[in-house]
Amino acid sequence: EDQVTQSPEALRLQEGESSSLNCSYTVSGLRGLFWYRQDPGKGPEFLFTLYSAGEEKEKERLKATLTKKESFLHITAPKPEDSATYLCAVSPYNQGGKLIFGQGTELSVKP
Amino acid sequence: DTAVSQTPKYLVTQMGNDKSIKCEQNLGHDTMYWYKQDSKKFLKIMFSYNNKELIINETVPNRFSPKSPDKAHLNLHINSLELGDSAVYFCASSQDREDIYTEAFFGQGTRLTVV
Repeated sequence: EDQVTQSPEALRLQEGESSSLNCSYTVSGLRGLFWYRQDPGKGPEFLFTLYSAGEEKEKERLKATLTKKESFLHITAPKPEDSATYLCAVSPYNQGGKLIFGQGTELSVKP
Repeated sequence: DTAVSQTPKYLVTQMGNDKSIKCEQNLGHDTMYWYKQDSKKFLKIMFSYNNKELIINETVPNRFSPKSPDKAHLNLHINSLELGDSAVYFCASSQDREDIYTEAFFGQGTRLTVV
């Protein structure tokens, strides 16, 4: 069964304290792995797509990496505005583009 | 311009009522989706349509009926609303072809509360 598990469920950081979020997945055939950010009362906002093991992508203080079993979202020197829920999702082949989401990691960055 | 827009943003209704949520995308995508986010913030797919054709129906009760009048619109009609239907419903769209595959863009959500 295709499945995504994220850890930790919640993470509290001080401003400037770097850390990583984990996304473990099992999927029959990986078409793509996606990271989204969700702010309270808003829809998920796209961050990154990773397609194959070894791939890395960066955007400002965020860097996403992918292996055959998991993905990491590294946050370097976070700021309070990085506080949000970060969602990981996989899209399996031949399943109409659907996304299977993890339960999310709620990140809080204190000044 | 909003890429994926849903209406209404909030919906409060009584048990047993019938309600609809509308969604429109102006991205030119060929695939649209409905997702449900429960109280624990877990997002799960309900339906997907590709060029007005139903592709995915994820064991959703028959009381939920999606309708796609054209590839830019996907509406969700819910009959005989139950307390357990209370959730946030998200519409999304993407381009989903063999040669072109994009990330999904989400609307702002519709918070449905059944009382």
